[in-house]
Amino acid sequence: NAGVTQTPKFRILKIGQSMTLQCTQDMNHNYMYWYRQDPGMGLKLIYYSVGAGITDKGEVPNGYNVSRSTTEDFPLRLELAAPSQTSVYFCASSYTDNYEQYFGPGTRLTVT
Amino acid sequence: AQSVTQPDIHITVSEGASLELRCNYSYGATPYLFWYVQSPGQGLQLLLKYFSGDTLVQGIKGFEAEFKRSQSSFNLRKPSVHWSDAAEYFCAVGGRDLGSQGNLIFGKGTKLSVKP
Repeated sequence: NAGVTQTPKFRILKIGQSMTLQCTQDMNHNYMYWYRQDPGMGLKLIYYSVGAGITDKGEVPNGYNVSRSTTEDFPLRLELAAPSQTSVYFCASSYTDNYEQYFGPGTRLTVT
Repeated sequence: AQSVTQPDIHITVSEGASLELRCNYSYGATPYLFWYVQSPGQGLQLLLKYFSGDTLVQGIKGFEAEFKRSQSSFNLRKPSVHWSDAAEYFCAVGGRDLGSQGNLIFGKGTKLSVKP
């Protein structure tokens, strides 16, 4: 029972590079979320999805893209990495919109 | 607008002492309230939640929280802190408030240190 898994755990990118952060859940949850966490700032919602094929912007979507082709996977894409995207990224999922979310272990990204 | 305030950035308590972490929220409708804990280098783990009913909620690891509508608060408590409780704690609010995106809003967190 893996829950929510994220890869990679750590990554260093150069400015302008692109990458995809992977997120997979095995709980058959409909709702999935991407957050970023910056020191002293709590969590900010980047994008979310209420089911396969449906995504929507959160509070801080600029510079990111997502897709949801299956119930299990919700990858986050950074197209042109910028230093402002240095952060810890968390993926989460929930069965319904009752907001009880389950979090992955996070990806620590540094852009230099 | 919906918001969550955790007034204490960092709290230090002695092992065995009691603990109370404060959380105040602003939300138009009946809120759903959550406390999460994050150990260093880890993801967030749900401690407890309040949706409705009894305003005193029991969670894992001996934590409890009390919903006080009149004070817009949802403070987290533990009668006797253990060294393993050292972590960062996040309060969050969700619900069906008009204009909400239907997602959780997190406070900025309170870091708990435990001294021997």
